[in-house]
Amino acid sequence: GQQLNQSPQSMFIQEGEDVSMNCTSSSIFNTWLWYKQDPGEGPVLLIALYKAGELTSNGRLTAQFGITRKDSFLNISASIPSDVGIYFCGPSARQLTFGSGTQLTVLP
Amino acid sequence: GAVVSQHPSWVICKSGTSVKIECRSLDFQATTMFWYRQFPKQSLMLMATSNEGSKATYEQGVEKDKFLINHASLTLSTLTVTSAHPEDSSFYICSARRQGSYVEQYFGPGTRLTVT
Repeated sequence: GQQLNQSPQSMFIQEGEDVSMNCTSSSIFNTWLWYKQDPGEGPVLLIALYKAGELTSNGRLTAQFGITRKDSFLNISASIPSDVGIYFCGPSARQLTFGSGTQLTVLP
Repeated sequence: GAVVSQHPSWVICKSGTSVKIECRSLDFQATTMFWYRQFPKQSLMLMATSNEGSKATYEQGVEKDKFLINHASLTLSTLTVTSAHPEDSSFYICSARRQGSYVEQYFGPGTRLTVT
């Protein structure tokens, strides 16, 4: 069956540091989405990637869709306290498949 | 744009009772809506996909007679948890796919269900 691995599982960083997380899949996907979930709330779409190799930015966030369509990374630059939350990768075919999430903690 | 609401945001019910959760797309039409459940510190697990005007498609292991889904209009889908048990306690989240969009899903804020 399809395997989706998201890493790291959790991160503790100092405010102002850059962050990088990634997802790899055993399957090829046409689209890759990145979401952030705050405690007790639904996920919010951060970035959507549609083309292999595509590099897209949204403010301090940058994400890239791997050439093989089996992986993606998300970078956050100059982290701030409100970046705290769980980040999910969501490769999509007919429906979304969620990674296990990366719990980000930003220390002041 | 692309706002999805859920009601109620939290609910406490007794074992054996039924609970209905509503999911609405407020500023767009959604031909497809999805229902997820999430346990603490875990990822979202897809329960079912509902298309407006047709029967929902349930994921393997999800009891269709227990989790009744109705997608009566392009802006409303409901999930009814029938004969709720404590193990049904969870965070239920819906999402909606904008009509004409193949991919992007927008999530509601979730409903915290506690069955006592």
